[in-house]
Formats: sequence, C-alpha cells, structure tokens
Amino acid sequence: AQTVTQSQPEMSVQEAETVTLSCTYDTSESDYYLFWYKQPPSRQMILVIRQEAYKQQNATENRFSVNFQKAAKSFSLKISDSQLGDAAMYFCALIQGAQKLVFGQGTRLTINP
Amino acid sequence: EAEVAQSPRYKITEKSQAVAFWCDPISGHATLYWYRQILGQGPELLVQFQDESVVDDSQLPKDRFSAERLKGVDSTLKIQPAELGDSAMYLCASSLSGLPYNEQFFGPGTRLTVL
Repeated sequence: AQTVTQSQPEMSVQEAETVTLSCTYDTSESDYYLFWYKQPPSRQMILVIRQEAYKQQNATENRFSVNFQKAAKSFSLKISDSQLGDAAMYFCALIQGAQKLVFGQGTRLTINP
Repeated sequence: EAEVAQSPRYKITEKSQAVAFWCDPISGHATLYWYRQILGQGPELLVQFQDESVVDDSQLPKDRFSAERLKGVDSTLKIQPAELGDSAMYLCASSLSGLPYNEQFFGPGTRLTVL
C-alpha cells in the first residue's frame, strides 16, 4: 500500500523569504506521480506542481520547485519569494498506476508580513 | 475558466437524517471523484466514477452512503442516516480521464455538520 507522510503540521515564513515543506512517501512501484496541492482557506484545492517519477529533473513552476529524491522517497516543495497569497494548507500526494490518489496529512503555511 | 461546482456549500443536519450533495464536473471530464476530508487531515477517496460506472468504492461505507452518476455528467452523494462521525468536508473532483498523470480539479466542497 502507498503512504504519504508530511511531518510538519505547521510552518511559517517571512514574506519574501524561502520556505521548504517536507514530504516522504512509500510505494513498491517504480512508476508513479507525485503532486503538491494548495488549499487556501475557504477556497478549492489547486494543483501547485507535479513530478513524474521517471524524470530525474526536478519540476519547477515559477516560484515553486521540488527536490525529488527517488532513492530516499522524498519529495519536498520549495517556495521562493514567499507572498501573502501563498498562505494555505499544502498537501503532498502520490498516485501509481490505476490506484487512487493518496494524500499526506498536510502542512499549514503561514506567511508573516 | 471552467470549474467544478458543488452544492450546497454548507449543510447542518441532525443525526439519523438524510443528506445529499451535488457535484457538476468540468465539461468533458469523464472521471469524477468524491473525497471526504476530516478537519486537519488530507482528503480520502470515497468513490470514483468513469463516466457512469463506479471504478472504486472500496472506502465508501455502503450501509449508509450511496453515490450515483446516472448520465455520466453530474453526480449525487447521499448519506442516510447521518452519524456524528460524518461531520467533514466533502470534496468533488474531476479529471479528463482516470489516468494517473491527469490533474484532478477540485470543487469548493460541502462542509457537513451533524448535530
């Protein structure tokens, strides 16, 4: 069975600074996909970034980038130049083959002005 | 921009009553998901539809929960009777297909409180 673990229930960062959210996972498959989703207060969850396990290059989307360490089963999210609008719950998620999308417990990110 | 619609946004009910949630996915999306998100936790899949067929309902408490997507478009999730432990956010999502690389688009959710 696949599992996703986020060990940081809460994180905070100063506006314009950089923050890294941690995620580890477990899967027996070699081909899978990893995602970071953002859930702002009272708004719908949106996809932040996606990583294919077969790609060695780390995914990047503007200020968001990941550090994908396949052997260590680690998938951290780095947010550069943090903005007030980045405040949200962040969920790491994993899907493999025909299995369901499995989410971690989430990390609440606070941005301090 | 197309979005997943859900109604109602909030629902308060007493235990043993019946409740129903509605979801309208993004047009053209064949796959529809219902998730339950308990406060402070990540979403957990309840049921997945591919068009009008159920693909996965292994985590759906079938003694009290039911879901349908009769014409392969919008969907209804029902709870009867509701229990105190059903208080949670119910999220609907859709994707172009059930392939793993397809992004799932989420609706705003229905927050259920059972008294």
